[in-house]
Amino acid sequence: GAVVSQHPSRVICKSGTSVKIECRSLDFQATTMFWYRQFPKQSLMLMATSNEGSKATYEQGVEKDKFLINHASLTLSTLTVTSAHPEDSSFYICSATNYGYTFGSGTRLTVV
Amino acid sequence: AQTVTQSQPEMSVQEAETVTLSCTYDTSENNYYLFWYKQPPSRQMILVIRQEAYKQQNATENRFSVNFQKAAKSFSLKISDSQLGDTAMYFCAFMKQEGNFGNEKLTFGTGTRLTIIP
Repeated sequence: GAVVSQHPSRVICKSGTSVKIECRSLDFQATTMFWYRQFPKQSLMLMATSNEGSKATYEQGVEKDKFLINHASLTLSTLTVTSAHPEDSSFYICSATNYGYTFGSGTRLTVV
Repeated sequence: AQTVTQSQPEMSVQEAETVTLSCTYDTSENNYYLFWYKQPPSRQMILVIRQEAYKQQNATENRFSVNFQKAAKSFSLKISDSQLGDTAMYFCAFMKQEGNFGNEKLTFGTGTRLTIIP
C-alpha cells in the first residue's frame, strides 16, 4: 500500500531558530500534499495545500511567511517553521494524495 | 463551507460490546465522501471506513459499519465486538468530490475518544 514517510518524528529547537519537516511519498507520486496541525486532544486543522510545482494555498489565519511550504517534486514536500516560538509547539501531520489519502506519522515540535 | 460535528467527546464500552459513534455534517454539496479515521496513541491516522455520498448502501469493513443518512446529514460509525486495540481517537471527516479523488482537502470533526474497557 501507499506509504508516506515524515521526518523527523520529534524535534526540539530553540526559540528563534527554523525547523524543517519533510514529507515523502515512498511508493507513489503525490500530486497534492496537505499539512495539518494538531493541538493536544484536539482535531486536525488544515494549514495549507501544496501542489507540485506551484505555490501552496494557505488556510485563513495561517502565516505563509512563518510556515514555508515547498513541494518541489512529486515525492517530497517540506514545511519549514521559521523563527519558531513556543506557541508554535504542536504536532504537525502531512498527508500525500494520489487517488487517495495517506498520512505521515507526524512530527512533534517543541520550541524552548 | 463544510462543517463536521461530533457531539460525543468521550465514550467507553466493555470489550466485546457494540458501540456507535455519532457524526453530523453540514454541506451544500451533493457529491462528496465521508470518512472515519482512527488515531491511536501512536498518533498515526488510520482510515477505518469510507462512504461515497452517491451510494445508498452503507459501507462495511469487517467489524466496522456506518449508518449513512444523507437527508439527515448523519454518518455514524458502529463498532461491533469491540477489542482493546480499538481504543483510540476517532475522527469523522468530509471531502468534496471534485476532480481526482484525494485532491480536495479533508474537513475533520472534533473527535471522539473511545476507550475499550477490559
